[in-house]
Amino acid sequence: GENVEQHPSTLSVQEGDSAVIKCTYSDSASNYFPWYKQELGKRPQLIIDIRSNVGEKKDQRIAVTLNKTAKHFSLHITETQPEDSAVYFCAAIQSWGKLQFGAGTQVVVTP
Amino acid sequence: DADVTQTPRNRITKTGKRIMLECSQTKGHDRMYWYRQDPGLGLQLIYYSFDVKDINKGEISDGYSVSRQAQAKFSLSLESAIPNQTALYFCATSDPGQGATQYFGPGTRLLVL
Repeated sequence: GENVEQHPSTLSVQEGDSAVIKCTYSDSASNYFPWYKQELGKRPQLIIDIRSNVGEKKDQRIAVTLNKTAKHFSLHITETQPEDSAVYFCAAIQSWGKLQFGAGTQVVVTP
Repeated sequence: DADVTQTPRNRITKTGKRIMLECSQTKGHDRMYWYRQDPGLGLQLIYYSFDVKDINKGEISDGYSVSRQAQAKFSLSLESAIPNQTALYFCATSDPGQGATQYFGPGTRLLVL
C-alpha cells in the first residue's frame, strides 16, 4: 500500500518568512495530492491540492509542487502570518479513493 | 463544513460499554470514511464505504464496526470500549466524480474511562 512520509514534524518561522513542508510517497500509481490544515480542536480542511498531471499550483500565499519522478511534493507558504499556525497534513491518493495521510507538521508562526 | 455532521460532539464512556458515533451528510457523496486521530498524531483510517453495499476495513479496524444505513449515514460502533480508544474521531465524505477531495465532519471527542 501507499506510504507517505512528511517532514519536518515541527516548524517554527518568523512572521513574514516562508515555510516549506515536504512529503514523499511510495506508490507511483498515486495521482492526487491534497494538503489539509488543521487548527487546534477543529477538523482538517483542504487548503490546496495538485494532480499528477500538474507540476505546480498556486493559490495566493500557498503553493504546492510535485515531482513525480522523485515521488515527492511540497507545500510552500510565503509571507507567513500568525493565522498560518496550525498542523498541516499532506496526503496521497490513488484513483480509487483511499487517502494515505502523512504524520503532520506543526507550524508555529512567531510575531 | 456544515454538510457533514457528527453526533455526539463529545462523549465520555466507561470501559466495556458499547457506543455508537453517527455521521450524516447532505453532500450527496457516495463515499464515506471514519478516521481516528490521537493527540499530536495524524489521521488513521478505521473503515471506509464506497456505497451502501460496500464496506472496507482500514488500517485500524480492530475493536470497531460500522454500518452504512443509507447513502447519507455512516455509523461507527465501539463494541466494548477500552481506554486506548480515547481519541478524536472524524467522519469524511468524497465524490469520485468531483475528484478525490475528502470533506471532514467536525469530529467527535471520545473519552473512555
